[in-house]
Amino acid sequence: NAGVTQTPKFQVLKTGQSMTLQCAQDMNHNSMYWYRQDPGMGLRLIYYSASEGTTDKGEVPNGYNVSRLNKREFSLRLESAAPSQTSVYFCASSGGYQPQHFGDGTRLSIL
Amino acid sequence: GQQVMQIPQYQHVQEGEDFTTYCNSSTTLSNIQWYKQRPGGHPVFLIQLVKSGEVKKQKRLTFQFGEAKKNSSLHITATQTTDVGTYFCPAYSGAGSYQLTFGKGTKLSVIP
Repeated sequence: NAGVTQTPKFQVLKTGQSMTLQCAQDMNHNSMYWYRQDPGMGLRLIYYSASEGTTDKGEVPNGYNVSRLNKREFSLRLESAAPSQTSVYFCASSGGYQPQHFGDGTRLSIL
Repeated sequence: GQQVMQIPQYQHVQEGEDFTTYCNSSTTLSNIQWYKQRPGGHPVFLIQLVKSGEVKKQKRLTFQFGEAKKNSSLHITATQTTDVGTYFCPAYSGAGSYQLTFGKGTKLSVIP
């Protein structure tokens, strides 16, 4: 089982560039999440999608947009990347109140 | 949303020593989950506690949920280098919400 798959694994951008982080899950989960993790800051929720067709802001949504393309896929877009968005990004999925399953992460550096 | 404070933020132990991390909430929790993140890895679910006073064990790991469902602890007996990582005890952000608030966790270092 693949679980949660994130692409790319690594990316370097220049300030002002845009990019989309992709996430797909094969566990038929309704809920999907995007987190960022910075040193000493723990995991912070950017956006989540409780079910297909819905998205909601988390703790740190500024500078990001999301799309729940279908039940399997949830993408995160940076329209104009800033150095403050340098981070490790994790996608996760869950079936409601069940445990969350995480992808391997995308390590993003913005110069 | 519900905030769970976790202490300590960092812990260094000699291999073979015991280790405990504590999570405390000002409000009653419906349940609490525990995750472990190895260095360079992603968070991995360990266990979920639901019942008041619940105690669950996984080999050398013992998880407890307080009687008032406001606190929880993870105790590791005789730590090994494989226990290195950050342990999180996220709680749901509020009634009807599927959001988990993770916080900073406890980063455990084990000195061989």
